[in-house]
Amino acid sequence: DTEVTQTPKHLVMGMTNKKSLKCEQHMGHRAMYWYKQKAKKPPELMFVYSYEKLSINESVPSRFSPECPNSSLLNLHLHALQPEDSALYLCASSQPKRGNTIYFGEGSWLTVV
Amino acid sequence: SQQGEEDPQALSIQEGENATMNCSYKTSINNLQWYRQNSGRGLVHLILIRSNEREKHSGRLRVTLDTSKKSSSLLITASRAADTASYFCATAGPGVTGANSKLTFGKGITLSVRP
Repeated sequence: DTEVTQTPKHLVMGMTNKKSLKCEQHMGHRAMYWYKQKAKKPPELMFVYSYEKLSINESVPSRFSPECPNSSLLNLHLHALQPEDSALYLCASSQPKRGNTIYFGEGSWLTVV
Repeated sequence: SQQGEEDPQALSIQEGENATMNCSYKTSINNLQWYRQNSGRGLVHLILIRSNEREKHSGRLRVTLDTSKKSSSLLITASRAADTASYFCATAGPGVTGANSKLTFGKGITLSVRP
């Protein structure tokens, strides 16, 4: 069982919609991550937050907008997505120290129609 | 770009047999982690091995790391049908600091354990 909780588990949205994915962890971790995973592919890093500040943006299109309101929460705001953005979005957290284990949530399945 | 490359890409064994999966990587690392992913689910962390370690055990899992060959292996002993999943190795480079624990995943291995 994971201690990283993601909601919703499934989301279907139109290309003109605005929606958000949410992630919460109560392990006291100060680093949080968003990964994107297409079917039968490995996860790919999108964003890293460290102490609530954005530290890595892997050249993600601006239609994905991350937000870290506090040390326990991480959001991913979605706007004007394309069908090819349909994927499993995984949130993860860790202690912000090199070499620490990264713990993943169950993911949010996103379908863009 | 992917750092790790697992081998084989698919493995089918009988329950009770051992499963060995290999991972090779290209650049220097701080640590290597193995994850399991059941179909349509999130990633479950299995084990982390640091660059100064050669072998680690956790229950039925044994991981080895050979930094000279830039390779790692994951051995699952006495496999069970419940071990059926995709397995990924992931590496964190030595150059990252602080929270920049940027994991790069291999393509994954699909393990099927037949009852």
